[in-house]
Amino acid sequence: DVKVTQSSRYLVKRTGEKVFLECVQDMDHENMFWYRQDPGLGLRLIYFSYDVKMKEKGDIPEGYSVSREKKERFSLILESASTNQTSMYLCASSNPGQPQHFGDGTRLSIL
Amino acid sequence: AQSVTQLDSQVPVFEEAPVELRCNYSSSVSVYLFWYVQYPNQGLQLLLKYLSGSTLVESINGFEAEFNKSQTSFHLRKPSVHISDTAEYFCAVSSSGGYNKLIFGAGTRLAVHP
Repeated sequence: DVKVTQSSRYLVKRTGEKVFLECVQDMDHENMFWYRQDPGLGLRLIYFSYDVKMKEKGDIPEGYSVSREKKERFSLILESASTNQTSMYLCASSNPGQPQHFGDGTRLSIL
Repeated sequence: AQSVTQLDSQVPVFEEAPVELRCNYSSSVSVYLFWYVQYPNQGLQLLLKYLSGSTLVESINGFEAEFNKSQTSFHLRKPSVHISDTAEYFCAVSSSGGYNKLIFGAGTRLAVHP
């Protein structure tokens, strides 16, 4: 089975902090994705990557950046956390033409 | 641009009753369609997918969905639900080319009551 592992299930940070969310997949997938999930809005794509060191903006990239130095790892970075970034963050991976597999999510609270 | 509309935010239903969760999409290109399920405190799990071929697709736990191109719909159905089906269900679309970017609907919370 595909395993997508997010480093933290729950995280509490303060406004202005730099926050790192880590995601690792074990199936050699080419594509990796970061979403945020908010009630009534579904999942919205923040960034995705289709290869090592390659990245593309999703629908809501403002306030975020990403890093993909190795194929299996995709990091989401909140440069200066703000309260409106309190959310559930979900990582996913896939190969082209195949369904995405999701991690269990990180519930991030910014105080 | 693509979009997905899930017409019901919440669907309450009694155990063993049939259920339909509605999903409509808009797209100017050929699409792949998906239903994902999210149980409490978990990530999303793929329930079923339409990539090509037969327009009726089924999951291993009794759900089915039918791709209707003329109505741009991909409704999810189950003839008899169980308590354990209580979850949030997301419909999603991606273009058949490109990087598999998914566009999600807002979700439908299915609550099965005894």
